[in-house]
Amino acid sequence: KAGVTQTPRYLIKTRGQQVTLSCSPISGHRSVSWYQQTPGQGLQFLFEYFSETQRNKGNFPGRFSGRQFSNSRSEMNVSTLELGDSALYLCASSLDSPRNQPQHFGDGTRLSIL
Amino acid sequence: GDSVTQMEGPVTLSEEAFLTINCTYTATGYPSLFWYVQYPGEGLQLLLKATKADDKGSNKGFEATYRKETTSFHLEKGSVQVSDSAVYFCALMGVRGSQGNLIFGKGTKLSVKP
Repeated sequence: KAGVTQTPRYLIKTRGQQVTLSCSPISGHRSVSWYQQTPGQGLQFLFEYFSETQRNKGNFPGRFSGRQFSNSRSEMNVSTLELGDSALYLCASSLDSPRNQPQHFGDGTRLSIL
Repeated sequence: GDSVTQMEGPVTLSEEAFLTINCTYTATGYPSLFWYVQYPGEGLQLLLKATKADDKGSNKGFEATYRKETTSFHLEKGSVQVSDSAVYFCALMGVRGSQGNLIFGKGTKLSVKP
């Protein structure tokens, strides 16, 4: 069974640009969560999607957005990139609510802002 | 709000040494507690979990016991191997709200020398 797949693995952008990251969950999983990992702030929750609806959102500015498609694949978008957005972005999927089911993480997309 | 505090690293041990990584939490009620491990260049893997007081999670020789009275979930292993070198994250999922997201500690880097 394939795991959580995140693409691309690495990305380099410049300030002011926007970026879209993709996450394909494990087959059958309907919940997708996104986390940002930085050396300074550690791992922080961005948002969670279930059946194409955002169910839960962390404390990030509106420049960070996401969506989920009918096949449960999810994308997150960051607009007007800032140097501080450089991070490893991790996606996690679970069968149903992450409260009730274990979350499986992908290997992440490493975003570098120049 | 809910939070997790874990011991600062890095921790360097010799092979076959005893490992303890301390983790304490602040949360309302009875959160679920987790230990995740991150190997270089990879995402997070669930190592073990406990969902109620006095539960002991265990996996691959690692153990942690949910201690409500001390709000702790310390990770232990009797004899570490070089292959255990990784970053370990303590995390909780709170009881507030219906969806759930993980709140992580800052992580503890473990290096095991042969």
